[in-house]
Amino acid sequence: KAGVTQTPRYLIKTRGQQVTLSCSPISGHRSVSWYQQTPGQGLQFLFEYFSETQRNKGNFPGRFSGRQFSNSRSEMNVSTLELGDSALYLCASSLDGQGWTSSYNEQFFGPGTRLTVL
Amino acid sequence: GDSVTQMEGPVTLSEEAFLTINCTYTATGYPSLFWYVQYPGEGLQLLLKATKADDKGSNKGFEATYRKETTSFHLEKGSVQVSDSAVYFCALSEPSGGSNYKLTFGKGTLLTVNP
Repeated sequence: KAGVTQTPRYLIKTRGQQVTLSCSPISGHRSVSWYQQTPGQGLQFLFEYFSETQRNKGNFPGRFSGRQFSNSRSEMNVSTLELGDSALYLCASSLDGQGWTSSYNEQFFGPGTRLTVL
Repeated sequence: GDSVTQMEGPVTLSEEAFLTINCTYTATGYPSLFWYVQYPGEGLQLLLKATKADDKGSNKGFEATYRKETTSFHLEKGSVQVSDSAVYFCALSEPSGGSNYKLTFGKGTLLTVNP
């Protein structure tokens, strides 16, 4: 079974531009989460999608948005890029349990997209 | 809110040495606890997990025990190898609005094992 794939792997943009990153989850996985990894802040949760709906959101400005398609593929968009948005953006997918009483579903991470903002 | 504190390192060991990476957490409820590993240029891989107090997670010679009384989940390995060189992240997941898929991570600990 193929793992989580993210495209592109590397991206260079300039301040003020916008960028779209793509994530294809493992086949059959319905939940997709996004994380930002930087040397200063570490790994921070951006948002999580399930059945094309944002189910959970971290503390990021509205410039960061995402969506999920009917095939569970997800994209995240960052508008009006700032230098501080330079980071490794990680996507993770999981099967989905219904509510807290279900057993935990392991999150499988992709290799990430390295975004550099100049 | 939830938080995870782990020793930031870097940690440098010789092959076959004993490894401990400390991790403590703050959570309002009953979180699940995890250790993830990140090899250079790669994403995160789940190393081990524990979902309730006193559970012991283990994998590839690594172990960690969920200690509710000390809110800790320290990672240990009896004999490290050069191939264990990586960044290790402690993390927790707690119910949030009915969804338990938000992981809160520690800052990560860089481990370098020399031959």
